[in-house]
Amino acid sequence: EPEVTQTPSHQVTQMGQEVILRCVPISNHLYFYWYRQILGQKVEFLVSFYNNEISEKSEIFDDQFSVERPDGSNFTLKIRSTKLEDSAMYFCASRVGGLYNEQFFGPGTRLTVL
Amino acid sequence: SQQGEEDPQALSIQEGENATMNCSYKTSINNLQWYRQNSGRGLVHLILIRSNEREKHSGRLRVTLDTSKKSSSLLITASRAADTASYFCAPRGSQGNLIFGKGTKLSVKP
Repeated sequence: EPEVTQTPSHQVTQMGQEVILRCVPISNHLYFYWYRQILGQKVEFLVSFYNNEISEKSEIFDDQFSVERPDGSNFTLKIRSTKLEDSAMYFCASRVGGLYNEQFFGPGTRLTVL
Repeated sequence: SQQGEEDPQALSIQEGENATMNCSYKTSINNLQWYRQNSGRGLVHLILIRSNEREKHSGRLRVTLDTSKKSSSLLITASRAADTASYFCAPRGSQGNLIFGKGTKLSVKP
């Protein structure tokens, strides 16, 4: 069964460093999302992406964040200068399209900022 | 906000019993999805119910949706220890993103 994959599973970085989190959505899906979950808290929406552009973003998704689909398969989230409070689990999700489609989530990347 | 709010926050039952979790949300939706999350792991999609549906079944799962009350419920029948996890409802609004609540933490004791 097709699934969303994410790499790495765990990323440790120093404060101020740039990180790139990678996702491979399900191949025929057209809509892509990033969410994050700080330990013990809710899953929070960051950004949605369709047709090579951001379709919606939350207040969390400030200028330090960017997303890209550099080729036909990868979907990346870049944090330019990480802060301690960026430590969280980051989930990528994708869906086919249309109003009713399920969003399928990847296993997540645990980002630890020291 | 379309945020789903689950109730109860925690539920502890014996294996074989049924577990019912409730969800309320605030605005109109296109659909509502339920997810499961094992501790420290990813979100597993369980079921999607559309706004024009009232009930949906998938194996031991039964989901209901009452758009007039802006509420949904997830019933897990004949629970197993492996069902121990946190369960989230996620309403989906017109923009496509899902809004998660704090979830219900289900503990099924063998």
